[in-house]
Amino acid sequence: ETGVTQSPTHLIKTRGQQVTLRCSSQSGHNTVSWYQQALGQGPQFIFQYYREEENGRGNFPPRFSGLQFPNYSSELNVNALELDDSALYLCASSSASGRYNEQFFGPGTRLTVL
Amino acid sequence: AQSVTQPDIHITVSEGASLELRCNYSYGATPYLFWYVQSPGQGLQLLLKYFSGDTLVQGIKGFEAEFKRSQSSFNLRKPSVHWSDAAEYFCAVAEFTGGGNKLTFGTGTQLKVEL
Repeated sequence: ETGVTQSPTHLIKTRGQQVTLRCSSQSGHNTVSWYQQALGQGPQFIFQYYREEENGRGNFPPRFSGLQFPNYSSELNVNALELDDSALYLCASSSASGRYNEQFFGPGTRLTVL
Repeated sequence: AQSVTQPDIHITVSEGASLELRCNYSYGATPYLFWYVQSPGQGLQLLLKYFSGDTLVQGIKGFEAEFKRSQSSFNLRKPSVHWSDAAEYFCAVAEFTGGGNKLTFGTGTQLKVEL
């Protein structure tokens, strides 16, 4: 069984640029959630995708957007990068059955904005 | 909105000593609670979870946690710490939104183990 994978591992961008991060969900999972973890902080929920639709969103501006594909993989796009966007971005997948579905996390993408 | 507080930013224990990491939550209904561990440069690994039933839950790597509703706490314990337990530990609560579920994390406790 393949776990959650994310690419790239590390990324360096400059302020104002756009970035796309990718996530492949664990086999059998149809829900993907994205989290931002700033240095020294706990992860913060960005949004969740289920069946290719956004299914809940945290307190992040619209320049944070996402996609989910028919194979349940997902992308996180961030436009007009700001210095404060520097963080570890974590993707988690789960299976949408029952009241709560355990989320399995990928290793993350470390984004540095200069 | 729910919240999670981990009062201890850093904790240092000697190898072989017991460990307790504190977690307090704020949530209106019966909480679904979790403890995750994160090693440097890694993602999050689930140690244990509480949904309902027995308030003392067992997890992986010899960890356990006790849910105390009266104290709004879900403290993580281990009887004897190993050097490999050095990592950052996060407590989290699941919130059920209109569309889905999201985890709200505490700020984490960094555990250092002295040999």
